[in-house]
Amino acid sequence: DAGVIQSPRHEVTEMGQEVTLRCKPISGHDYLFWYRQTMMRGLELLIYFNNNVPIDDSGMPEDRFSAKMPNASFSTLKIQPSEPRDSAVYFCASTPARFSPLHFGNGTRLTVT
Amino acid sequence: DAKTTQPNSMESNEEEPVHLPCNHSTISGTDYIHWYRQLPSQGPEYVIHGLTSNVNNRMASLAIAEDRKSSTLILHRATLRDAAVYYCILRDGRGGGADGLTFGKGTHLIIQP
Repeated sequence: DAGVIQSPRHEVTEMGQEVTLRCKPISGHDYLFWYRQTMMRGLELLIYFNNNVPIDDSGMPEDRFSAKMPNASFSTLKIQPSEPRDSAVYFCASTPARFSPLHFGNGTRLTVT
Repeated sequence: DAKTTQPNSMESNEEEPVHLPCNHSTISGTDYIHWYRQLPSQGPEYVIHGLTSNVNNRMASLAIAEDRKSSTLILHRATLRDAAVYYCILRDGRGGGADGLTFGKGTHLIIQP
């Protein structure tokens, strides 16, 4: 089991550019979560999916952020246009059932200059 | 969501037991107590969880007070690899609220060789 796979591991981009972060959950996991971590705000839940359907996106900061899950093995988090305040580590997590432990990826460190 | 209170940091010596406290005085009867940890440059990792009884697994033990208003994560013999931020999280077993985890600031555990 390779665990939750995120790519890229690091992303540096200029303000105004589009950024796409990718996540491959563990096979058979029906829930997928996107988190953001900063020094100031800690770990924040952005959005989560159940069976590829977005369930709660109340944590998405603004319309510049969007997330999709076109199939059970792939999800993207897109920021368009990016801003310096979006700089953070973005984590993806998956779990097989509603109350099971979450399995996190190693994150994507995003730097927007 | 019911909140938890943890010390900002703790220090311990290698090969000694570590007791990480967590207060959750507003816990409800259906809240499970979960512990995760985050090693440097990695995503959070599940450690253990429980409802009322003490729990043991290969990583740690969880001691839950009789009134459930506090709990303690016990690392029986700390190693340098246990240096991490430890998060104590309440999760409603009825499914109330978002299915994701709400992380606080956690306890930064420092292990001295």
